[in-house]
Amino acid sequence: DARVTQTPRHKVTEMGQEVTMRCQPILGHNTVFWYRQTMMQGLELLAYFRNRAPLDDSGMPKDRFSAEMPDATLATLKIQPSEPRDSAVYFCASGLSGKRGEKLFFGSGTQLSVL
Amino acid sequence: AQTVTQSQPEMSVQEAETVTLSCTYDTSESDYYLFWYKQPPSRQMILVIRQEAYKQQNATENRFSVNFQKAAKSFSLKISDSQLGDAAMYFCAYRSYNNNDMRFGAGTRLTVKP
Repeated sequence: DARVTQTPRHKVTEMGQEVTMRCQPILGHNTVFWYRQTMMQGLELLAYFRNRAPLDDSGMPKDRFSAEMPDATLATLKIQPSEPRDSAVYFCASGLSGKRGEKLFFGSGTQLSVL
Repeated sequence: AQTVTQSQPEMSVQEAETVTLSCTYDTSESDYYLFWYKQPPSRQMILVIRQEAYKQQNATENRFSVNFQKAAKSFSLKISDSQLGDAAMYFCAYRSYNNNDMRFGAGTRLTVKP
């Protein structure tokens, strides 16, 4: 079965360290989404890409977060420097744009703990 | 921006009974999709059911069905013959047809009592 692959599944780091999360979207999908899930805020949209171009990253703290798609098979979300309040589960999802693409397929998430 | 509201943080149902989870949304668009996702403790997001806004007929998937009221901007999920495996967080989501981004509600935690 095609699936969205996220690595790492868990990450524990110290405040101030750089964190990079990776996502391999389903082959052929042209939209990629990054979500952050916390108990307090639920699922927040951080950024999304269509055809590797960022369409909306308004939900992302610009000073420390960055999202990129170096190629169609890899999306990255980077936090530098990390802070304890960044502790959350980060989900990547992929899909197709337009009429064909109403479904999103989610990865298993990266659980990030910043101490 | 579109918003999705789930007013029930927690719900409980007896096994084999029926439960309805509520969802309302706010949008100025006429074409969009609505979804219910299930998130069990494994944290995997699982699509339960989806509805296209232009379709008047309510979507159904086995024991899961929706009551889609477009004018009222309401999209509730009914789970019939509840099973222990239905226990999870349920998220209502809205996906813009034009912009393609997907927005989620805060979620409803469903407990199924044996």
